[in-house]
Amino acid sequence: GENVEQHPSTLSVQEGDSAVIKCTYSDSASNYFPWYKQELGKRPQLIIDIRSNVGEKKDQRIAVTLNKTAKHFSLHITETQPEDSAVYFCAASITSGTYKYIFGTGTRLKVLA
Amino acid sequence: NAGVTQTPKFRVLKTGQSMTLLCAQDMNHEYMYWYRQDPGMGLRLIHYSVGEGTTAKGEVPDGYNVSRLKKQNFLLGLESAAPSQTSVYFCASSLYNEQFFGPGTRLTVL
Repeated sequence: GENVEQHPSTLSVQEGDSAVIKCTYSDSASNYFPWYKQELGKRPQLIIDIRSNVGEKKDQRIAVTLNKTAKHFSLHITETQPEDSAVYFCAASITSGTYKYIFGTGTRLKVLA
Repeated sequence: NAGVTQTPKFRVLKTGQSMTLLCAQDMNHEYMYWYRQDPGMGLRLIHYSVGEGTTAKGEVPDGYNVSRLKKQNFLLGLESAAPSQTSVYFCASSLYNEQFFGPGTRLTVL
C-alpha cells in the first residue's frame, strides 16, 4: 500500500546550524508534498509545500527539494532558531479525487541555544 | 472565521461507552478528514469525506463510524470504546491541496 517513510525520528542541532529531514514515498502517482509543523499541544500547520513539476522551493529559511525519480523529498531549515523546535511531518498526496494525505511518522527537532 | 473547530477538547470514557466527536468548518470546504495521532506513528487517516452525504474509509477505520449530513460538519463516532482508541483526534478540511486542522480532541479510554 501507500507509504511515506521519514527520517530521522529525532534531530538535535545547535542554534544557527542547518537541519535536514528526509522522506521517501512509495506511490509514484503522488504529485503534492506538504510539510507540516506541530508545536507541543498544538495543531499541525502547513509551512511549505511542493508539487511534482518543481524540483525546489524556498521560503526564507525553509526550503524543500524533490527528486521524483528516486521518490525522495527533503525539508531544509537554515540558521535554525529555538522557535523552530517542534515536530515536523511530511506527507504525500495525489491532487485529484480525494486529496488524501499519507503522512510520515514525524521528526522531533530540537534547536539547542 | 473560526476555521476548523472540534468538540469536545478532552474526554474520558470507560471501555464500552459510546461518544461522538464533532468537527465544524466555516470555509465552505468540500473535503473533510478524521485522523488519529499516536506517539511515534504520525497522523493516520480514519475516515474522510469528499462532499456532503459522502464518506469513505481511510487507513484505520475499524471501530469508528462517520457521517456528513451537512457540508460544514463531519462527525466521528465510537460505538463501543476500547483502550486502543486512546489517542488525540484531529479533524481537517480542504478545498484542494492544503489541509487545515482543528485543535484536536484528547480522548482517554479506561
